[in-house]
Amino acid sequence: EIVLTQSPGTLSLSPGERATLSCRASQSVSSSYLAWYQQKPGQAPRLLIYGASSRATGIPDRFSGSGSGTDFTLTISRLEPEDFAVYYCQQYGSSPNTFGGGTKVEIK
Amino acid sequence: QVQLVQSGAEVKKPGASVKVSCKASGYTFTSYGISWVRQAPGQGLEWMGWISAYNGNTNYAQKLQGRVTMTTDTSTSTAYMELRSLRSDDTAVYYCARGGVLSGSYWFDPWGQGTLVTVSS
Repeated sequence: EIVLTQSPGTLSLSPGERATLSCRASQSVSSSYLAWYQQKPGQAPRLLIYGASSRATGIPDRFSGSGSGTDFTLTISRLEPEDFAVYYCQQYGSSPNTFGGGTKVEIK
Repeated sequence: QVQLVQSGAEVKKPGASVKVSCKASGYTFTSYGISWVRQAPGQGLEWMGWISAYNGNTNYAQKLQGRVTMTTDTSTSTAYMELRSLRSDDTAVYYCARGGVLSGSYWFDPWGQGTLVTVSS
């Protein structure tokens, strides 16, 4: 199965700063079938990005995804207070679907 | 709006079974599939499997093969996940999520609100 490694584990930033989250795959993710999700405490995950770079419906344009092959990035251009949460990447190109371990974006 | 509403929290003893439901609304149920994902307390997300609401095809995570069964009832637009021979490490929040109709190769959107299953003697 494809193992996804997210880094860093925790990112401490201030509102207004730029956040760059990394997701590295143990083998190439076919057709860039990679998604990003945001999860806040006590809530279900929410889809942000699919197909590595396509924003889901209703997602602000400060969220952007990039990458291909084994290296993918989620960028939040300017952190808003509501963006402090845990972010997960997921590959859905190969069975089984797998998730990364998550990156927590916390307020500095 | 597209919505998945799950059944309520469950407390089970080791060795028992649990069946969680996931009722869909706001879209054509048979045009998508449903995946199930669980999250142990304080941990990350674990994919459990997928079922097509169109033809009932399934794909289960290898570690759960033989203990999990996913089904759908198209008359009520409801998906079900049954997990048997429960152990303490099955304690988790269980989520359903809308996915692809022909395979599990699809993103998950939206997600149900989650169902806490606690396994304890």
